[in-house]
Amino acid sequence: NAGVMQNPRHLVRRRGQEARLRCSPMKGHSHVYWYRQLPEEGLKFMVYLQKENIIDESGMPKERFSAEFPKEGPSILRIQQVVRGDSAAYFCASSPPSGVTDTQYFGPGTRLTVL
Amino acid sequence: GENVEQHPSTLSVQEGDSAVIKCTYSDSASNYFPWYKQELGKRPQLIIDIRSNVGEKKDQRIAVTLNKTAKHFSLHITETQPEDSAVYFCAATLYNFNKFYFGSGTKLNVKP
Repeated sequence: NAGVMQNPRHLVRRRGQEARLRCSPMKGHSHVYWYRQLPEEGLKFMVYLQKENIIDESGMPKERFSAEFPKEGPSILRIQQVVRGDSAAYFCASSPPSGVTDTQYFGPGTRLTVL
Repeated sequence: GENVEQHPSTLSVQEGDSAVIKCTYSDSASNYFPWYKQELGKRPQLIIDIRSNVGEKKDQRIAVTLNKTAKHFSLHITETQPEDSAVYFCAATLYNFNKFYFGSGTKLNVKP
């Protein structure tokens, strides 16, 4: 039973480039969450998605950041025109449909470095 | 929204001693409280959780207590071992809302 998968594990971008981070939830999970973790800090909620729907994006910066979870394929967090302050670990988590359990299971993260 | 505060930020104990990490939350409607352990460079992993209809839950050397009136919950690790060294995060959420609010983390160091 594969866990939450994320790729790439490490991503290096120059300022102004685009970063695409992918997340495949656990089998049977239909809810996906993205969190950002700065060095030596906690996890900050960014966005919560279900298939083809953004449920809550209150933690997402208004500009340059977007997320999707298409009917087929992984969830994608997209950061346009990256800046040095975007350097962080981005974690994806997934959970089953509501009513089954509240637990979120985390992927291994993508460590983004902006040069 | 919810605000979760976690203390202490760092904790150093001798192997075999107990460790206690405390969190407070602001929204009295929060009713699910998970604890995650994160080793250096690894993913956060759920170690124990508690719902608001329960005051205490135990799993071997790990226990969590919840005081709804005071809006705080605590993680207790007994007989600590070096492999318990990690960063521990508490979180709070509303059932079915699925949006976790995390504390800032506690770096636990267990000295052999």
